[in-house]
Amino acid sequence: AQTVTQSQPEMSVQEAETVTLSCTYDTSESDYYLFWYKQPPSRQMILVIRQEAYKQQNATENRFSVNFQKAAKSFSLKISDSQLGDAAMYFCAYRSDLGETSGSRLTFGEGTQLTVNP
Amino acid sequence: ETGVTQTPRHLVMGMTNKKSLKCEQHLGHNAMYWYKQSAKKPLELMFVYNFKEQTENNSVPSRFSPECPNSSHLFLHLHTLQPEDSALYLCASSQEGASVTQYFGPGTRLTVL
Repeated sequence: AQTVTQSQPEMSVQEAETVTLSCTYDTSESDYYLFWYKQPPSRQMILVIRQEAYKQQNATENRFSVNFQKAAKSFSLKISDSQLGDAAMYFCAYRSDLGETSGSRLTFGEGTQLTVNP
Repeated sequence: ETGVTQTPRHLVMGMTNKKSLKCEQHLGHNAMYWYKQSAKKPLELMFVYNFKEQTENNSVPSRFSPECPNSSHLFLHLHTLQPEDSALYLCASSQEGASVTQYFGPGTRLTVL
């Protein structure tokens, strides 16, 4: 079974600075997807970024980028120019395919609470 | 975000009550999911429906009963719940075979007294 580990329960960053959130995972599969979601106080789970394992290029979405190290099974999230609105719980997730017509499963880490200080 | 909606947003129920949670997706997706988020625990997958057929039941107790009448609607029927079932219940949907990203609703905060 896949496992996802986020070793930083809490992180803080000054507004306009850069912060990196860590995530490691364990899998025997060669093709998979990884995601970062954020969950602000509203509890809405919002997609931040996704990475397909067969793509060597790291995904980027505006101020958000990942450092995907497939051999090390590491998937960190870098937030540049941090804004107050970035404050949230961030979850790393691994997608497992349940079969051709069976949907998929997301396995989540325990989350990292990010505080942005003005 | 209105792609996936959930009602009610908050629910308080006694252990002998019967209630239902509703999820609706407006994204044209073919798969829908129920997740449970308890305090200090990672999100746990409960059920998966693909093309209206249940394809995964993650050892969920029978007091939780899902229903998927069509590819846009998903229900979670609740009966004789326990206080430890109090949690945030999140619905998600995805287009399997295409973008595969799961999009979440705002959740239902359930309290069992």
